[in-house]
Amino acid sequence: DTEVTQTPKHLVMGMTNKKSLKCEQHMGHRAMYWYKQKAKKPPELMFVYSYEKLSINESVPSRFSPECPNSSLLNLHLHALQPEDSALYLCASSMLQGGSPLHFGNGTRLTVT
Amino acid sequence: GENVEQHPSTLSVQEGDSAVIKCTYSDSASNYFPWYKQELGKGPQLIIDIRSNVGEKKDQRIAVTLNKTAKHFSLHITETQPEDSAVYFCAAGGSNAGGTSYGKLTFGQGTILTVHP
Repeated sequence: DTEVTQTPKHLVMGMTNKKSLKCEQHMGHRAMYWYKQKAKKPPELMFVYSYEKLSINESVPSRFSPECPNSSLLNLHLHALQPEDSALYLCASSMLQGGSPLHFGNGTRLTVT
Repeated sequence: GENVEQHPSTLSVQEGDSAVIKCTYSDSASNYFPWYKQELGKGPQLIIDIRSNVGEKKDQRIAVTLNKTAKHFSLHITETQPEDSAVYFCAAGGSNAGGTSYGKLTFGQGTILTVHP
């Protein structure tokens, strides 16, 4: 089993709903990431947090709002999404040292209706 | 920015055969090259990685080779088994903080590997 836990596993939401995705890791990693993956495509980076501060936003629309409450938790708040935002949302973590690999969770499968 | 090309997009082999997946990258500053295996309904799992100061790395049935001059790297799986069937992604990035330039890995498009019993 993966050491990065994501909840929920599946989420169906309407375009007017507000929902949140959650991610937790207890490996002591100080970098955490959100990736988006469409079917049959590679993961695409959305956000990077280092030491609980947002360090990279890959020009993601404001209807996606990340939050890092502490070094173990990462949230992604969703509001007014579009059907094209339906995808697998992956959380990952890594150490902040040269050569540290990313550890991915199993993702949240999001469907926007 | 970095561009990673991966071939083939699909690969079908018989159990016990070898499988080879190849990737090329464009940014000579990239120096970290991980390979991920993604099974249906799961997130990508790291299977092996290599850094630019190493030409080859092996872990049991899996090996990766890197040619920095030619900017290409390859994954070799020997004695394939049905449980090796999955999507495989190569990636390239820098190896400063986090080994991934703060997570800025560029992924290849993926290879669907099918191992027939």
